[in-house]
Amino acid sequence: DAGVTQSPTHLIKTRGQQVTLRCSPISGHKSVSWYQQVLGQGPQFIFQYYEKEERGRGNFPDRFSARQFPNYSSELNVNALLLGDSALYLCASSFQGQVQETQYFGPGTRLLVL
Amino acid sequence: RKEVEQDPGPFNVPEGATVAFNCTYSNSASQSFFWYRQDCRKEPKLLMSVYSSGNEDGRFTAQLNRASQYISLLIRDSKLSDSATYLCVVNRGGGGKLIFGQGTELSVKP
Repeated sequence: DAGVTQSPTHLIKTRGQQVTLRCSPISGHKSVSWYQQVLGQGPQFIFQYYEKEERGRGNFPDRFSARQFPNYSSELNVNALLLGDSALYLCASSFQGQVQETQYFGPGTRLLVL
Repeated sequence: RKEVEQDPGPFNVPEGATVAFNCTYSNSASQSFFWYRQDCRKEPKLLMSVYSSGNEDGRFTAQLNRASQYISLLIRDSKLSDSATYLCVVNRGGGGKLIFGQGTELSVKP
């Protein structure tokens, strides 16, 4: 079975631009979470979605938004990019997003903002 | 203070060594605990969940002390393939919000 997939794998943008990152969860998983990982740090939680509803939001500015589609895939949008948004963006899926469930991560999208 | 704190790395050990990673968490409401492994420029992958009774998976042993809010991971008979960054992770409930430590890098040398 396919794991979590993300696209694109790499992206280069300039300050002020907007970016959309995509994620497809493992088949049968209904919850998707997004994380940002800057170099040398652990991933930081951005959003969680379950059944198309936002279940949680991390400490990120309103420039960050996300949504989940009926097929449980998800998009993360970042507006007005800043240099500090350069990071690895990880998507994770789980069956229902419950606290005890394992989250499976995709390979990530590497975003570089110039 | 970060919610999940780990030993600063890197740890450089010879093959066959035993290495221990320590982690503390500050939120007593934390409900589930994990160790993830992350290879260079790859995604994190679950190594093992951590239970109050302690659990073992081959060469790996994880312990949780809720009273001290302390989590540990012991790797015995280190292999070259164990070289990676080890991430201590907690979930304090309310859904799927994982809180990661900064990670500890392990390098196993021949």
